[in-house]
Order: sequence, then C-alpha cells, then structure tokens
Amino acid sequence: EIVLTQSPATLSVSPGERVTLSCRATQSVSSSLAWYQQKPGQAPRLLIYGASTRALGVPARFSGSGSGTEFTLTISSLQSEDFALYYCQQYKNWPPYTFGQGTKLEIK
Amino acid sequence: EVELVESGGGLVKPGGSLRLSCAASGFAFGSYFMNWVRQAPGKGLEWVSSISSSGTYIYYADSVKGRFTISRDNTKNSLSLHMNSLSGEDTAVYYCARDNGNNYFDQWGQGTPVTVSS
Repeated sequence: EIVLTQSPATLSVSPGERVTLSCRATQSVSSSLAWYQQKPGQAPRLLIYGASTRALGVPARFSGSGSGTEFTLTISSLQSEDFALYYCQQYKNWPPYTFGQGTKLEIK
Repeated sequence: EVELVESGGGLVKPGGSLRLSCAASGFAFGSYFMNWVRQAPGKGLEWVSSISSSGTYIYYADSVKGRFTISRDNTKNSLSLHMNSLSGEDTAVYYCARDNGNNYFDQWGQGTPVTVSS
C-alpha cells in the first residue's frame, strides 16, 4: 500500500500570501496524484488531477507540480475562501486508493 | 448537472447492519466506476469500496472486506453499500464519489453520517 504523507499538518497564513503544500509518497505514483479541497461540513472537491491539471472551474491561483514521490500544491495568493483542508490522493496503484492525512490552512 | 445524493445513514448498535444508498443524476451513471469513501469524525479520507460500471469488478479496503458489500442498479441510477458487523471504527460520514474514468474522484455527494454506538 502506498502511504502519502502531507506536510505541514497545519499552516497559518495571511490572505494574499503564497503557500505551498507538500505530499510525499512511499513509492513512485508517476503523475497519478490528485488534490482535493474540503471545507467544514462539505464534501471534498477535486482541485488538481494528473499532478498538475486543474479541474474544471478551479481558479488559476491553484497549481500542482511534481512526479514520482514528491508533489506540491501551490496557491499563489490566498483568498478567504481558500482556508480549508487539503488532501492528496494517489491512484497509480490501487486498490487501495490512498489519501494523505491532510493539511489545514488556517487564517493567521 | 451532476448530482449524487446519499441516504440511509443513522445510529446503529455495535454488531448491527445498515444499508446506504446513493442516487445519481445528471450523467450516464452506467458508464462510470463508483466508489464509497468515508471520513471518521475529525479524521482524513478513507477509501472504502469501488465498483466497475457494469458491476463486474468490485474492490474493498481491508478494513471492511467481508463485512461490507457494494452494489449498483444501473436501471435505477443507484449505488448501495450494505454494511454488516458494524463497530465504532465504522463511525464516519460516508460519501459516494464518481470515478471520472481515470481513477480520481471528480464528483462527490454530500455524505451521510453513520454512528455506531450502544
């Protein structure tokens, strides 16, 4: 089973800042990595797939990069609506699909 | 508009059973793999089960294998999850999620909460 480790667990940032979230896999997942955003009381929302492709309707301030075992999600200029939980998911080797434990973006 | 609506969650005693449903609309349901993903209170996302578009191929997480059964009815655009021998570790919000065809989940329902407690 591929384990995904996200860092940091929590990130305190101010609106307008640029942030980078990390996701590391225990073995290569090539580019088969997705990022999801989850707000309190809501379902996850697909942000990025294929490590770097934005899903439909996702603002351009969100970008993904990486391949193999190291991935990042960057938000270029944080908006108030971006404060949420973010999860990475690998879909290279399944079952099982696996998710990272999440990174919480909170307002500084 | 794609819509996934889960139902059937609730309070159940340890050892009990529950059947969750997911009603799909706005897309060709029978053409997509479907999944159940759960989230325990304050915890992350955990994949539970997947079923192929025709129902031929079925996969389970080790944590639910032998206790949960996924099924679908393409004539009714419906996905189900039968859960048996429930324990407190199964307490979670259960989401149905569509696999867009490339193994990531592009559409999610709003979730249905399951609480296992005496």
